Amino acid sequence: QVQLVESGGGVVQPGRSLRLSCGVSGFTFSIYAMHWVRQAPGKGLEWVAVISYDGRNKDYADSVKGRFTVSRDNSNNTLHLQMHSLSADDTAVYYCARGDSDGKNAYWGQGTLLIVSS
Amino acid sequence: EMVMTQSPATLSVSPGESATLSCRASQSLGSNLAWYQQKPGQAPRLLIYGASTRATGIPARFSGSGSGTEFTLTISSLQSEDFGVYYCQVYNNWPPVAFGPGTKVDIK
Repeated sequence: QVQLVESGGGVVQPGRSLRLSCGVSGFTFSIYAMHWVRQAPGKGLEWVAVISYDGRNKDYADSVKGRFTVSRDNSNNTLHLQMHSLSADDTAVYYCARGDSDGKNAYWGQGTLLIVSS
Repeated sequence: EMVMTQSPATLSVSPGESATLSCRASQSLGSNLAWYQQKPGQAPRLLIYGASTRATGIPARFSGSGSGTEFTLTISSLQSEDFGVYYCQVYNNWPPVAFGPGTKVDIK
């Protein structure tokens, strides 16, 4: 069955960097776009980033543009989110989600929690 | 920039009653509208896509309607497991992607 498993979250100090990963199985990773979506504690869902199936095209929310970089390794079925200059506003559960051909997100991981705090 | 709004923010419903949730987009988006259900500590679950198509395994008591800028999710005869937060989402095969702020459905 389809599985997405995020990892890499934790507690990091403001201004530092961190990389999140999302390992997938149960579908052909290399033909799907992939998204990152985050959710601050007690808040709603915020779309963060998308990467095309081949990694050539990427887009970001304005709130993370210039600080976050999404990448993928199709040979290892893994999605990454490199985050720099982290602030308390980045504290959230980060979900990876598969982007279907029409763009909807039918499959999500369970999320990984990032806490930015000194 | 696409902005999504949802109403009401909170909806208190008794089991067995129906619930109607609304979602409005700042620009016309055709039928590229999805609804997700989220329960505490869980990832969102896709309920409806294409404004009115139920996702795999979603019970028939969930129905979606609308197009353009106005959309509705109706839950008929609410079950105890239906309580949670519901988000609408505009999607495309490429951004923009945006979520509404959510409607919390709780027990009356």
